[in-house]
Amino acid sequence: NAGVTQTPKFQVLKTGQSMTLQCAQDMNHNSMYWYRQDPGMGLRLIYYSASEGTTDKGEVPNGYNVSRLNKREFSLRLESAAPSQTSVYFCASSEVWGTSGGPYNEQFFGPGTRLTVL
Amino acid sequence: QKEVEQNSGPLSVPEGAIASLNCTYSDRGSQSFFWYRQYSGKSPELIMFIYSNGDKEDGRFTAQLNKASQYVSLLIRDSQPSDSATYLCAVNNGGSQGNLIFGKGTKLSVKP
Repeated sequence: NAGVTQTPKFQVLKTGQSMTLQCAQDMNHNSMYWYRQDPGMGLRLIYYSASEGTTDKGEVPNGYNVSRLNKREFSLRLESAAPSQTSVYFCASSEVWGTSGGPYNEQFFGPGTRLTVL
Repeated sequence: QKEVEQNSGPLSVPEGAIASLNCTYSDRGSQSFFWYRQYSGKSPELIMFIYSNGDKEDGRFTAQLNKASQYVSLLIRDSQPSDSATYLCAVNNGGSQGNLIFGKGTKLSVKP
């Protein structure tokens, strides 16, 4: 049971290059998330997918696209990388449950991808 | 704009002492509250969640929730140097999606 896995662990890009960050979970969770973490800014939600086949924008979606390939996999694509996208990217998954008084969900994070854009 | 506020620290406590970490949130509709621990260079790790007013204890950790005051705290008893990390408070942002809003974290240092 690997939990949430991410590839690659590290990546250096030049401005304008594109790349896709991969995320997979084996916990049979419906919901998956992409965050970025910058010093002094905390974790900020880029995109999320509440279930297979659906995706929605989070707080900072500009410059990114996502694909929920199947229930297990959720990828994040940078079409034309910019230095402002230098960050640590985390994928997370959860099962959202409860209606009365909820929703409730415990999110579990992958190990992260450290991206530098020169 | 829904917000989650934490004192950035660093909070320094001696080994064996109680560390008290605090968090306030702006959305009265929030129903679920989480504490994550993040070691330097690592990913956030869920250590506690609380959904009801009052205290919830798990080993050396106690989460406290006061919805009327929009306040959630984490107490770490018998603090150990291995507890030195950044602690992130997260609050669900309402709605049915279960998205979380994270605070910027409090850095805790436990001195031997």
